Amino acid sequence: NAGVTQTPKFRVLKTGQSMTLLCAQDMNHEYMYWYRQDPGMGLRLIHYSVGEGTTAKGEVPDGYNVSRLKKQNFLLGLESAAPSQTSVYFCASSSRGSDGYTFGSGTRLTVV
Amino acid sequence: KQEVTQIPAALSVPEGENLVLNCSFTDSAIYNLQWFRQDPGKGLTSLLLIQSSQREQTSGRLNASLDKSSGRSTLYIAASQPGDSATYLCAVKENSGYSTLTFGKGTMLLVSP
Repeated sequence: NAGVTQTPKFRVLKTGQSMTLLCAQDMNHEYMYWYRQDPGMGLRLIHYSVGEGTTAKGEVPDGYNVSRLKKQNFLLGLESAAPSQTSVYFCASSSRGSDGYTFGSGTRLTVV
Repeated sequence: KQEVTQIPAALSVPEGENLVLNCSFTDSAIYNLQWFRQDPGKGLTSLLLIQSSQREQTSGRLNASLDKSSGRSTLYIAASQPGDSATYLCAVKENSGYSTLTFGKGTMLLVSP
């Protein structure tokens, strides 16, 4: 059982470049989330989805877009990367019930 | 707005000690609380999940307690080992269905041989 899988694991971008981070879960979870983790700031929610075809903004959504075309996948896009988006990005998923969150192993992104 | 605080921010102990990590939250109307472990450069691994109706959960040498009315949770680690060295995060969920987790900033634990 893979749980939550994130690709890629590492990436270096130049300022202005675009990229998409992929998150896939095999637990049939309804809810999916994208977080970023920065030193001293903790984990902050970027965007989330409560079901296939739905997305919503979290705490720090600016500069990011998301899509959830299939229930098992949640994509995070950076249209024009900036150095301030250098961070570690985590995807997570949860069910509608009382279960906790399951996190992926993260994507370490550096924007130069 | 819910705020989660973890004390201490860092802790260094010799192997074999029993230790307690603290987590407090400002709004006691939570649905559940989850403790995670994060190793350097790695993702978050769920350790224990406590529902709001529960007082504690145990897994091996770990025991987490929840006092919802006072807005506090503790993670007790018995007979600590060097392999326990990691950052421990607590997070609260405020209601059933969708709601975001609010995280503390973590306690960085170092257990020396």
